[in-house]
Amino acid sequence: AQKITQTQPGMFVQEKEAVTLDCTYDTSDPSYGLFWYKQPSSGEMIFLIYQGSYDQQNATEGRYSLNFQKARKSANLVISASQLGDSAMYFCAMREGWNDMRFGAGTRLTVKP
Amino acid sequence: EAGVTQFPSHSVIEKGQTVTLRCDPISGHDNLYWYRRVMGKEIKFLLHFVKESKQDESGMPNNRFLAERTGGTYSTLKVQPAELEDSGVYFCASSLGTRETQYFGPGTRLLVL
Repeated sequence: AQKITQTQPGMFVQEKEAVTLDCTYDTSDPSYGLFWYKQPSSGEMIFLIYQGSYDQQNATEGRYSLNFQKARKSANLVISASQLGDSAMYFCAMREGWNDMRFGAGTRLTVKP
Repeated sequence: EAGVTQFPSHSVIEKGQTVTLRCDPISGHDNLYWYRRVMGKEIKFLLHFVKESKQDESGMPNNRFLAERTGGTYSTLKVQPAELEDSGVYFCASSLGTRETQYFGPGTRLLVL
């Protein structure tokens, strides 16, 4: 069964605007962590942001914020004030308990000038 | 502080040959993970080391793959003999604790002809 679902294979956003990348997950474990990684064209995987299942507040890191809706099992990434350098693949991932990480299929974001 | 490094960055080999990939984790990180992304598919977990011990190798596809982490520092992933379907990007990641954020290396792009 698919644990992590990213329904948007590709997204476009105008420079300086905000964009939301969707991620839904499936777990019955009360303890889990949610991660977003960015993969630019150079190929490396860059850690962006983390949300723990018990965290009361949504995680934020600079221009990145995670819209965590636990009841809906969604963990959308919001990028504010998009920059051209934000163009990349974005992966949502989840780790349940002590288990290993599962990744979504990714969303390719293109920022238009 | 140096991040996770992987060598080589690219490898092109013929079917039946052997390839060895190397990963140097962030200094002090006991946890080391291998993942791979086969063309067009999701990033899949391969295995997890805690120091020199294999914590979980449930993701290893078959016995043509052998991972080692002698001394608990760097790790190698050997594919012998390589098959066409082994082509993809092999990522290594490390973390301080088992449940902490994993930081990825740049990946090794393997092409089996």
